[in-house]
Amino acid sequence: NAGVTQTPKFRVLKTGQSMTLLCAQDMNHEYMYWYRQDPGMGLRLIHYSVGEGTTAKGEVPDGYNVSRLKKQNFLLGLESAAPSQTSVYFCASSYTRLAGGRYNEQFFGPGTRLTVL
Amino acid sequence: DAKTTQPPSMDCAEGRAANLPCNHSTISGNEYVYWYRQIHSQGPQYIIHGLKNNETNEMASLIITEDRKSSTLILPHATLRDTAVYYCIVRVAFGLTGANSKLTFGKGITLSVRP
Repeated sequence: NAGVTQTPKFRVLKTGQSMTLLCAQDMNHEYMYWYRQDPGMGLRLIHYSVGEGTTAKGEVPDGYNVSRLKKQNFLLGLESAAPSQTSVYFCASSYTRLAGGRYNEQFFGPGTRLTVL
Repeated sequence: DAKTTQPPSMDCAEGRAANLPCNHSTISGNEYVYWYRQIHSQGPQYIIHGLKNNETNEMASLIITEDRKSSTLILPHATLRDTAVYYCIVRVAFGLTGANSKLTFGKGITLSVRP
């Protein structure tokens, strides 16, 4: 199993440009998440999905859109990038129905470092 | 989710056991203790979790006190690759839906393993 993979690993954008970050998981997980991590801020949830075809907003959704057309993929889009979106983006996925606490075990991808100039 | 308290940093010698403490005095009966770590520039990684019994897996051991108000993550033979930020998280195991299922990471404890 590859687990959770993210592409690209690094990207530099100019203000106003658009891009899509791709997350893929091969564990048949129902839940998928997009977080961003900034220095001193910890992880903040951008958007999440509870299943194929569904998405919902997290804590900091403004400026981002997401889609989950296939269960294994979760896309994060920036329509018009801004310098405030410079961050490290992590995708994660998790089980929803396992017992014994494994419900909350999240698997993270390696991250995408995005710089917006 | 119950709040957790961890010291900001600690170090240990390579090959020795690293004992990472966590206080969670307001933990509820249905909340589990989870440990994750984040090695520099990588995504967080699940380590272990437990409810009230001590747990062991291939990565670490988790010791939870009888009153469940504190726990210790033990890396039995720390290596340089174990240098990372370790997060102790307390949360319920069931019934979380939607955005409540997200993980909330605090500042964690930075473990430095020295040669």
